[in-house]
Amino acid sequence: GAGVSQSPSNKVTEKGKDVELRCDPISGHTALYWYRQSLGQGLEFLIYFQGNSAPDKSGLPSDRFSAERTGGSVSTLTIQRTQQEDSAVYLCASSLDRRQGLGGELFFGEGSRLTVL
Amino acid sequence: DQQVKQNSPSLSVQEGRISILNCDYTNSMFDYFLWYKKYPAEGPTFLISISSIKDKNEDGRFTVFLNKSAKHLSLHIVPSQPGDSAVYFCAASASFTGANSKLTFGKGITLSVRP
Repeated sequence: GAGVSQSPSNKVTEKGKDVELRCDPISGHTALYWYRQSLGQGLEFLIYFQGNSAPDKSGLPSDRFSAERTGGSVSTLTIQRTQQEDSAVYLCASSLDRRQGLGGELFFGEGSRLTVL
Repeated sequence: DQQVKQNSPSLSVQEGRISILNCDYTNSMFDYFLWYKKYPAEGPTFLISISSIKDKNEDGRFTVFLNKSAKHLSLHIVPSQPGDSAVYFCAASASFTGANSKLTFGKGITLSVRP
């Protein structure tokens, strides 16, 4: 498709289980971001990938969270030993390279809603 | 510590009137600002942006104003339409940290446009 694709759209899991969320960015976009939105909160930055550079992991809330981006395209966000406070909508976004003078605006997927029971 | 603040959680306006959505920021390094619009069960979509070298950017019914000295920006929608009812997020970034540095978002404001 033409947009950012995320899967699964909904995930219900039990506390303590591991989950993987997938993001397929827009073709040609070099930057990929993960954000999450908890109930009543804004968008919280988690991690950012830019080309072959080392990712900016400064937003990951704990070492239970990790993300990979393989081949500069698809990304997987993994949450180990999930906790109830991990319940949120996890949003992936991609963008073109601002250094090329392009807006840098993010194009978001529809998100993966995670519920930890 | 919230670096981007949208202090009003909601706004209700009459169709045809002007909607003014406000946003304040604390990080003086921010030099690029964006507004996103989000409908329920959808991802946010880009609406309009402004660089710190400007104080106004207009796109159709949407205008963003930037007051750097006050660290304040606002989004004006005129005339407002019922389809504008959504959550609006203000976002900012500091380009010195990299070409595609992460955006810092506010908590959003829910706009309701009454027919």
